[in-house]
Amino acid sequence: QSALTQPPSASGSPGQSVTISCTGTSSDFGGYNDVSWYQQHPGKAPKLMIYEVNKRPSGVPDRFSGSKSGNTASLTVSGLQAEDEADYFCNSYAGSHSWVFGGGTKLTVL
Amino acid sequence: QVQLVESGGGVVQPGTSLRLSCAASGFSINNYAMHWVRQAPGKGLEWVAVIWYDGLNKYYADSLKGRITISRDNSRNTVHLQVNSLRAEDTAVYYCSRDGGQIGFDYWGQGALVTVSS
Repeated sequence: QSALTQPPSASGSPGQSVTISCTGTSSDFGGYNDVSWYQQHPGKAPKLMIYEVNKRPSGVPDRFSGSKSGNTASLTVSGLQAEDEADYFCNSYAGSHSWVFGGGTKLTVL
Repeated sequence: QVQLVESGGGVVQPGTSLRLSCAASGFSINNYAMHWVRQAPGKGLEWVAVIWYDGLNKYYADSLKGRITISRDNSRNTVHLQVNSLRAEDTAVYYCSRDGGQIGFDYWGQGALVTVSS
């Protein structure tokens, strides 16, 4: 159950787009589409932003989108806004009734 | 509305045990699997355990297996996590989360801070 690999940081100016990657192995990502993304502001609980690779829960702006290719999933935030500054974590079902998170990416809005 | 409220955190000595609780409201835990996820200070999220909606199936992270037990009391709409032989590296905020099926971890509590220190 090794953590999924995310870049520690990402940044962009307001209005720009930023993509955060999340890399796993064939044993976790490879066979499943149970990839989700979570936003966490300092001192707060995580919030679901994307599920099943590219679906948004009700209330999440369509500026947030997800994709997956092979063993890498991606979260793209378009039209960056100040409130998007937060930590982002990916998650995947890893088989054998276990789940694994990425190490997290700190998104800075310049 | 859906709410999850953790309790039972605090400062504990190494080698002791702790039982965390997660009280759910706005839905019945009878219909959902429930998870515990923890986050060490300044670190990422770590999946800890899951208990199936019927309480019959429980699964644990390899790193904690043997020291933790997840349980549920459907009559009280509450989920519990017992952690034994606590170590400094167990210091973390422990979150409970609802399993929305394909939707993922769709609701989270505010977390309970556990500090293991002598």
